[in-house]
Amino acid sequence: RKEVEQDPGPFNVPEGATVAFNCTYSNSASQSFFWYRQDCRKEPKLLMSVYSSGNEDGRFTAQLNRASQYISLLIRDSKLSDSATYLCVVNRYSGNTPLVFGKGTRLSVIA
Amino acid sequence: DTGVSQNPRHKITKRGQNVTFRCDPISEHNRLYWYRQTLGQGPEFLTYFQNEAQLEKSRLLSDRFSAERPKGSFSTLEIQRTEQGDSAMYLCASLPRDVQETQYFGPGTRLLVL
Repeated sequence: RKEVEQDPGPFNVPEGATVAFNCTYSNSASQSFFWYRQDCRKEPKLLMSVYSSGNEDGRFTAQLNRASQYISLLIRDSKLSDSATYLCVVNRYSGNTPLVFGKGTRLSVIA
Repeated sequence: DTGVSQNPRHKITKRGQNVTFRCDPISEHNRLYWYRQTLGQGPEFLTYFQNEAQLEKSRLLSDRFSAERPKGSFSTLEIQRTEQGDSAMYLCASLPRDVQETQYFGPGTRLLVL
């Protein structure tokens, strides 16, 4: 089983739609959780950290369920510029350990 | 530009040749990571430095791969006797001493082995 699993998509949605991505992780010792965004042929960039209490940044909302080892990202009012691959990322332990990435979910927002 | 930089940005080589990539982390970031990303996959961890010490290596890092960070600043990743399966984007990320989470990625070096 992959350590971080995501639906690869693609998700094709019209502008203004709400879209949700899900992710599961297998290592219950994982400490930190993130969503990264990656544009075609570019490096991954941090979109937001994910906290147990849930957190929101503008149109983006992230949720973490430690009991189910499940992470989600909700994008409201999708924009064309949201088209990208969204990577679910887990830090195995705290501090210095490397990040573990899912394969990514590809989103295309269509006019 | 004060971000992570990587050179070269693109490299085409013939199978069997050696290649070397360089990463310059954000100034004073003491932690540096190398990842590899192949098409359709997320980045996969290769190796990690804290200052000049290489503290962790992935099983992905075969004997043909070597990484250094001699003065605790820039790092190099060398691949000897390249194979077509080495074709990928090689990403470097750095992290400051007091931050436990966010890693800042460089633009990557895209390698194509013919």
